[in-house]
Amino acid sequence: DTEVTQTPKHLVMGMTNKKSLKCEQHMGHRAMYWYKQKAKKPPELMFVYSYEKLSINESVPSRFSPECPNSSLLNLHLHALQPEDSALYLCASSQAFLRGPNYEQYFGPGTRLTVT
Amino acid sequence: AQRVTQPEKLLSVFKGAPVELKCNYSYSGSPELFWYVQYSRQRLQLLLRHISRESIKGFTADLNKGETSFHLKKPFAQEEDSAMYYCALSGQGSNYQLIWGAGTKLIIKP
Repeated sequence: DTEVTQTPKHLVMGMTNKKSLKCEQHMGHRAMYWYKQKAKKPPELMFVYSYEKLSINESVPSRFSPECPNSSLLNLHLHALQPEDSALYLCASSQAFLRGPNYEQYFGPGTRLTVT
Repeated sequence: AQRVTQPEKLLSVFKGAPVELKCNYSYSGSPELFWYVQYSRQRLQLLLRHISRESIKGFTADLNKGETSFHLKKPFAQEEDSAMYYCALSGQGSNYQLIWGAGTKLIIKP
């Protein structure tokens, strides 16, 4: 299995809702990433997990809470989001992050999030 | 400061014409350079990385350290090449996150 999967594909939530995005990979990768992508813009890094530990938090607001329960799974918990948080949320994985050269990042198809 | 510049937001060429998507970078050291592509309704995927020196789907890219450039080239464009192309850089040291260019939308006209 050489794919990164993400669920759900689409999500519409109100500003008071709590929801979660899920990402899964079975390639044995030990680095996993969350990105936010606005239309026609490059991905913006949010979080990096390396060996299930949070390595990078790019000053992301606390209404976004990442979780890495195991080496194959990455979640992004959402709470009290704002309309400007509407975007495509991409998950990616790579063989490693801090312990060697930068391996290729494999991206999931993304979750299209709309905050109303 | 680390920076990747893609000067063209949009590039439109006719099918069969040569294509060159420009990428310039700023980095004090030896970075690793990548081209990623995002076709309509498809996931972002790696097209090329400079260390592999491959030709993928007819595209090539050469790292020019003197000009700090990593332009993407294809001699004969095909309609299926229409997509968003991002140049990205990875630095050295302990931080390997990707620094992304703004992207170039490539449209191949029939």
